[in-house]
Amino acid sequence: DIQLTQSPSFLSASVGDRVTITCRASQGIASHLAWFQQKLGRAPRLLIYGASTLQSGVPSRFSGSGSGTEFTLTISSLQPEDSAIYFCEHFDSYPFTFGQGTRLDIK
Amino acid sequence: EVQLVESGGGLVQPGWSLRLSCTVSGFRISSNYMTWVRQAPGKGLEWVGNINRDGSEKNYVDSVKGRFTISRDNAKNSLYVEMNSLRVEDTAVYYCASAGAYSGGRSYYDSWGQGTLVTVSS
Repeated sequence: DIQLTQSPSFLSASVGDRVTITCRASQGIASHLAWFQQKLGRAPRLLIYGASTLQSGVPSRFSGSGSGTEFTLTISSLQPEDSAIYFCEHFDSYPFTFGQGTRLDIK
Repeated sequence: EVQLVESGGGLVQPGWSLRLSCTVSGFRISSNYMTWVRQAPGKGLEWVGNINRDGSEKNYVDSVKGRFTISRDNAKNSLYVEMNSLRVEDTAVYYCASAGAYSGGRSYYDSWGQGTLVTVSS
């Protein structure tokens, strides 16, 4: 199975900061990766798919990049409502797997 | 409005069975792969399995193979998972999701239900 490792596991940043989360795959997965945001007690929400395509309705401050084994999710200017846990997931081959998550807190 | 509503969760003993349903409104699921994802209390997300558009192909994570069966009824716009021989480690919130975002030959979950809690305990 393909393992996804996210870093950091926890991040604290201030409103307006630029924030980057990394997701590394144990083998190449082309661009078959998505990023999800999950707020407490809520279902996950798709932010980015195909590694870099912004889902409709998601603010443009979110962006994704990467291919192969290293991927990043960037929030260009952090907002209070961005406090959440962020997960990556690969869609390359079965079974699909998720990263362990990155908890983002706002200072 | 797009809505996915899971039902059927509850408290069961180890070894028991349970059937979860996901009823969809606002779009026809017949065009989309459908997926179950679970989340144990305080833990991360785990892909459980998916089913293709006509139900002829199903894929599962190893830990549920042979115990869980995913099915769908496109006429009823619904997704199901039959869970047998339940274990304590199957305790989780179970989400259904519809893969309606497409890129590079893959489809990604753009709609999710609110989840239903399954607790397996003696």
